[in-house]
Amino acid sequence: SQQGEEDPQALSIQEGENATMNCSYKTSIINLQWYRQNSGRGLVHLILIRSNEREKHSGRLRVTLDTSKKSSSLLITASRAADTASYFCATGNYGQNFVFGPGTRLSVLP
Amino acid sequence: EADIYQTPRYLVIGTGKKITLECSQTMGHDKMYWYQQDPGMELHLIHYSYGVNSTEKGDLSSESTVSRIRTEHFPLTLESARPSHTSQYLCASSESAESDYEQYFGPGTRLTVT
Repeated sequence: SQQGEEDPQALSIQEGENATMNCSYKTSIINLQWYRQNSGRGLVHLILIRSNEREKHSGRLRVTLDTSKKSSSLLITASRAADTASYFCATGNYGQNFVFGPGTRLSVLP
Repeated sequence: EADIYQTPRYLVIGTGKKITLECSQTMGHDKMYWYQQDPGMELHLIHYSYGVNSTEKGDLSSESTVSRIRTEHFPLTLESARPSHTSQYLCASSESAESDYEQYFGPGTRLTVT
């Protein structure tokens, strides 16, 4: 069974609004990464948060991690049309390959 | 943009043909990966490599094979393509096998087998 699972599967918002995506996982992890994928392209790394961190910021991105609930959230503030993409979480553990979730498809309408 | 390249970007080929998808990276990364991704779906790891002469099968069973003769090159081969192989194939690399390191992805090869 997959480790990471994003929620919602799809999200549609207006430009300027905030977008929140969630990722839940099943087993313990040492870190969690978020990636973005524009249509038909490869993935681009956004941010990594370690298991001993609770929150991290990068520009308009804010990631939280709650290891007790085995969940993470990605918040994009003041969204732009260019943020339209699929967003994936990937969980990491010692000696194991990353496991990617099915992704959240975000549409930002102008 | 990451220095990882995939060719071809698009390939339409008939059933039974042998194909090789190319992947090269200029970052000197030891670890490389191949993922299979259907449109709008999650990524499935099909092969990975820790370095030269290392190849491992991933979580998703695949009829493809890989080789790693040079650090920068990690080609994927299908001996006899079938319609079930139609998918997008993504190559990635990372500096280390440790999960603290981000993966850099190529643009992908979209394969259609008719």
